[in-house]
Amino acid sequence: EVQLVESGGGLVQPGGSLRLSCAASGFTVSSNYMSWVRQAPGKGLEWVSVIYSGGSTYYADSVKGRFTISRDNSKNTLYLQMNSLRAEDTAVYYCAREGGVIAPMDVWGKGTTVTVSS
Amino acid sequence: SYVLTQPPSVSVAPGKTARITCGGNNIGSKSVHWYQQKPGQAPVLVIYYDSDRPSGIPERFSGSNSGNTATLTISRVEAGDEADYYCQVWDSSSDHPRGVFGTGTKVTVL
Repeated sequence: EVQLVESGGGLVQPGGSLRLSCAASGFTVSSNYMSWVRQAPGKGLEWVSVIYSGGSTYYADSVKGRFTISRDNSKNTLYLQMNSLRAEDTAVYYCAREGGVIAPMDVWGKGTTVTVSS
Repeated sequence: SYVLTQPPSVSVAPGKTARITCGGNNIGSKSVHWYQQKPGQAPVLVIYYDSDRPSGIPERFSGSNSGNTATLTISRVEAGDEADYYCQVWDSSSDHPRGVFGTGTKVTVL
C-alpha cells in the first residue's frame, strides 16, 4: 500500500528548530518529486517546499533560508529541517508525492502539527 | 507571485450542481489540480490535469479550464461532498518553480 507517515511535530519556542520526517512505503521517495505543504489553523493550504527526483530543491519565499528539504534514500524518508521558527510557522505540515513537473500531489500523509509559541 | 482566487463559499441543495471557480491570470495555459479536504483530514486529489479523475473518484466530479478561470463541477451533489476544495497549479514564471494553492472554497450542502 502506498503510504506517507509524518512525524516530528511538537511545541517549540520562537527561534527554535525542529526536523520533520515523512516515511514512505509502497513507492520510492527518490524516484518521485516530494513536497511539504502546510495549513495554519483555520486557514488554507500553503505550499512550502519541493525536492525533485534529481535532487533540486525549491522553497516558498516565506521559508527560504530557514527551512531545508532533504531525503534519505536508504530510509526512504523525506525530511524538513526548520530553523529560526516563528509564530506564523504554526501549522499542520503534510508531505505529498508528485509524479513530476506540474504533476498533481496524488498521495498525502495525515500531517504532523507544529506549534511555535513561548 | 501567481495568485489563485476562489469564492469563499458555495451552497447547494442535494441533487443539484455545484460549480467552484478558480481564477488566475491566463490559468488556461497551466495544468490545474483540485483537492477535497474534509475537517481534520488530509487533502484528497479529485481532479488532475484540468479534467482527469483519479480512480475511486465519482464521475459526478468534473473539471474544465480556459482563459482566466478553471472550474470544478460537482453534479448530483450528496451530503458527503460537503468539504473545502482547493485548486492548485505549478507556477514557473519566476526564477524557480513554486506550488500555488487557491484560497479555498467551502461547499455546504443545504
